[in-house]
Amino acid sequence: QIVLTQSPALMSASPGEKVTMTCSASSSVSYMYWYQQKPRSSPKPWIYLTSNLASGVPARFSGSGSGTSYSLTISSMEAEDAATYYCQQWSSNPPTFGGGTKLEIK
Amino acid sequence: DVQLQESGPGLVKPSQTVSLTCTVTGISITTGNYRWSWIRQFPGNKLEWIGYIYYSGTITYNPSLTSRTTITRDTSKNQFFLEMNSLTAEDTATYYCARDEVRLGRAFAYWGQGTLVTVSA
Repeated sequence: QIVLTQSPALMSASPGEKVTMTCSASSSVSYMYWYQQKPRSSPKPWIYLTSNLASGVPARFSGSGSGTSYSLTISSMEAEDAATYYCQQWSSNPPTFGGGTKLEIK
Repeated sequence: DVQLQESGPGLVKPSQTVSLTCTVTGISITTGNYRWSWIRQFPGNKLEWIGYIYYSGTITYNPSLTSRTTITRDTSKNQFFLEMNSLTAEDTATYYCARDEVRLGRAFAYWGQGTLVTVSA
């Protein structure tokens, strides 16, 4: 199965700061999904097919990448963005998730 | 509005079997081109896909769990089920049911609130 490695595992950012987190795949994948999860809630779809924002996701978020390297970027950190973000692939079975990047607000 | 709701026993003894139910409202589990999945999240937050039942009834399992996992459905009740046997403490997790969405390129768009299964004597 394809292993997804997210880095960093934990990060913090000040309001207004640019944030970038990465997801590395053990084999090439065609696209990546990203989910946002806050405490005591289920994951929410956030970015699909590498770079498309799900409904309601602020435009300060963006996704990019190809092959084995993908990233999620926030152009200007806001307090509401504090959460854990997971990448996920389904280019091959079984679908797999990364270990998550926990983003905190400074 | 599509909604999923898990239910289950909460506490299970080691070596026993757990049975979980996902009740779906807002759409029939036999319509559309959807995959109805079970996903679990361990303490420490790692996520693992367990398997899915397709709208047609076809089932696909995670190869790492296929020997002790069964997914079924009851179309009359619009429910699908997860049965997992030979449980150990390592199976302690929050179990989610979820559905993909073709408009989102097959991302898991709808999730239940999750049900915690604790495996302990």
